[in-house]
Amino acid sequence: EAGVVQSPRYKIIEKKQPVAFWCNPISGHNTLYWYLQNLGQGPELLIRYENEEAVDDSQLPKDRFSAERLKGVDSTLKIQPAELGDSAVYLCASSSGTSGGAGSTQYFGPGTRLTVL
Amino acid sequence: AQKITQTQPGMFVQEKEAVTLDCTYDTSDPSYGLFWYKQPSSGEMIFLIYQGSYDQQNATEGRYSLNFQKARKSANLVISASQLGDSAMYFCAMRGLSNSGYALNFGKGTSLLVTP
Repeated sequence: EAGVVQSPRYKIIEKKQPVAFWCNPISGHNTLYWYLQNLGQGPELLIRYENEEAVDDSQLPKDRFSAERLKGVDSTLKIQPAELGDSAVYLCASSSGTSGGAGSTQYFGPGTRLTVL
Repeated sequence: AQKITQTQPGMFVQEKEAVTLDCTYDTSDPSYGLFWYKQPSSGEMIFLIYQGSYDQQNATEGRYSLNFQKARKSANLVISASQLGDSAMYFCAMRGLSNSGYALNFGKGTSLLVTP
């Protein structure tokens, strides 16, 4: 079974430029998460999707960040314009549910390491 | 609110020895799940083991076991027979299973180095 796929793996951009990250979750997983991981920290949730609906985006900086999950499968996270402080790893995860127990385990992709110059 | 504390920023262990990585937590949620993830230098977060707050027995997965002490609010990861490939960052995480949302709350991680 294929895991969570993310691209690109690395991205270097200049500040004020736009950037987009793509995520393909594990087949059949209807819950998708985007996390931000700063250096030396654990990941922090940006947004959670149930199918195509964003059900928790309280931590997403909506002035510059946007996300979409068309057709409830792939998802794209965008930053426009990027700032120096956005340099971090952006992780995508998926799970088969949120009802609890081991079935709510989130499986992560390899992440996109963003460097803003 | 939920909080995960990992007090060991770095740990060393010799190959084939066992090592315990500490994790304490705080939550007001009566039902919750505890997770451990491994993050090698490649960056991917790899799920290792899960413990539910109402599970009667400590979870085990191969060389990984979780020493769950609910009264002390601790969920330490034990890795037996360490291997060189176990060198990585290890994150403890939890999520509420009732009304506190579905995001995983992570600790700051422990860096484990396995030496020959």
